Amino acid sequence: AQKVTQAQTEISVVEKEDVTLDCVYETRDTTYYLFWYKQPPSGELVFLIRRNSFDEQNEISGRYSWNFQKSTSSFNFTITASQVVDSAVYFCALKSGNTGKLIFGQGTTLQVKP
Amino acid sequence: DAGVIQSPRHEVTEMGQEVTLRCKPISGHDYLFWYRQTMMRGLELLIYFNNNVPIDDSGMPEDRFSAKMPNASFSTLKIQPSEPRDSAVYFCASSTGANQPQHFGDGTRLSIL
Repeated sequence: AQKVTQAQTEISVVEKEDVTLDCVYETRDTTYYLFWYKQPPSGELVFLIRRNSFDEQNEISGRYSWNFQKSTSSFNFTITASQVVDSAVYFCALKSGNTGKLIFGQGTTLQVKP
Repeated sequence: DAGVIQSPRHEVTEMGQEVTLRCKPISGHDYLFWYRQTMMRGLELLIYFNNNVPIDDSGMPEDRFSAKMPNASFSTLKIQPSEPRDSAVYFCASSTGANQPQHFGDGTRLSIL
């Protein structure tokens, strides 16, 4: 079975703190893709990153970084020096097998207070 | 570049009425997806198309739901008759390939009274 678990329902931090959002996935496929999306209060879903199962290199984009570890089936997302504009719901998603279907986690609501 | 365009943004209607949601994917994208988002069930895929052909409709909740894609630039999701439990935000997304990022529209917030 394919599954994505985001155990943290809500996280609250103060601006400038670093915060890590956890994502654990399950799949039996050897080829798969992992994604992170951001849903700000305005409601749209914004694509952040895609990783494939053969590339375990960590990635950094500005204040955002992602840590992919196949050994623990995790794809965690860290925001460094958080800002109020980072407040949103963040979704981790999995695509595996020969389907275009994305399996989403339940999302983590991040609140960054000034 | 224009993103995925959905209409209407909001729809409020009475139980039993027919509801039609519309989506225009990003030009050149071969895949189109319909999702539903609720507090209870989160984001769930309803159906997706590749080159206008439905590929997986296993997420469509029941026969009251139907989706069509008559051409590469337009898709509809229809609910007939609508019920209060259909109230949700419905998203359309498109992508250039099955493994590529899906780009989402702004969603349609549907309320069935």
